[in-house]
Amino acid sequence: AQKVTQAQTEISVVEKEDVTLDCVYETRDTTYYLFWYKQPPSGELVFLIRRNSFDEQNEISGRYSWNFQKSTSSFNFTITASQVVDSAVYFCALSEATTDKLIFGTGTRLQVFP
Amino acid sequence: NAGVTQTPKFQVLKTGQSMTLQCAQDMNHEYMSWYRQDPGMGLRLIHYSVGAGITDQGEVPNGYNVSRSTTEDFPLRLLSAAPSQTSVYFCASSSPGDAALGWVNEQFFGPGTRLTVL
Repeated sequence: AQKVTQAQTEISVVEKEDVTLDCVYETRDTTYYLFWYKQPPSGELVFLIRRNSFDEQNEISGRYSWNFQKSTSSFNFTITASQVVDSAVYFCALSEATTDKLIFGTGTRLQVFP
Repeated sequence: NAGVTQTPKFQVLKTGQSMTLQCAQDMNHEYMSWYRQDPGMGLRLIHYSVGAGITDQGEVPNGYNVSRSTTEDFPLRLLSAAPSQTSVYFCASSSPGDAALGWVNEQFFGPGTRLTVL
């Protein structure tokens, strides 16, 4: 069975601190896709990144970076120099190879204080 | 483009009532899904469609029906509402990727419908 675990329920940091959100997944598929979505207080879901299972290259986009490690089944998300606007719930999700069905983790609520 | 739209934004039902949550997308996406979001549980897939006339069950389908008569619309029907169906419902759509190239497209989500069943 496929599963996504986000063990950190809530994280609080002060502005400018770096913060890493953990995501561990389980799947028996050899081809799969991983995603991160952001849900700000307004409630909408915003796509951040996707990664397929045979591309372990890490990615950096501005203050955001993602570390994908198949050996540990992890796809962690780091925000560098956090800002108050980063306050949101962040979801990690896993997709089957052929159907695009998303399996979400339970989310990590990040609060960034000024 | 309006993207993915959902109506209504809020709804209060009494136990046993039925209703339909509407979802429409104008991006010509083949794939559409319904999720529910409950505190501490993330989003869970209710029903899924890969094209007009084709639907499939997700993780939590009981108490819900769907149909897909057009590419644009994917309504979710609650047949007899129960308090356990109090939740925020999200509709999403995406276009198919290319598995051979290792590419899957992200899902675009609607703004959600907050449903309370008394």
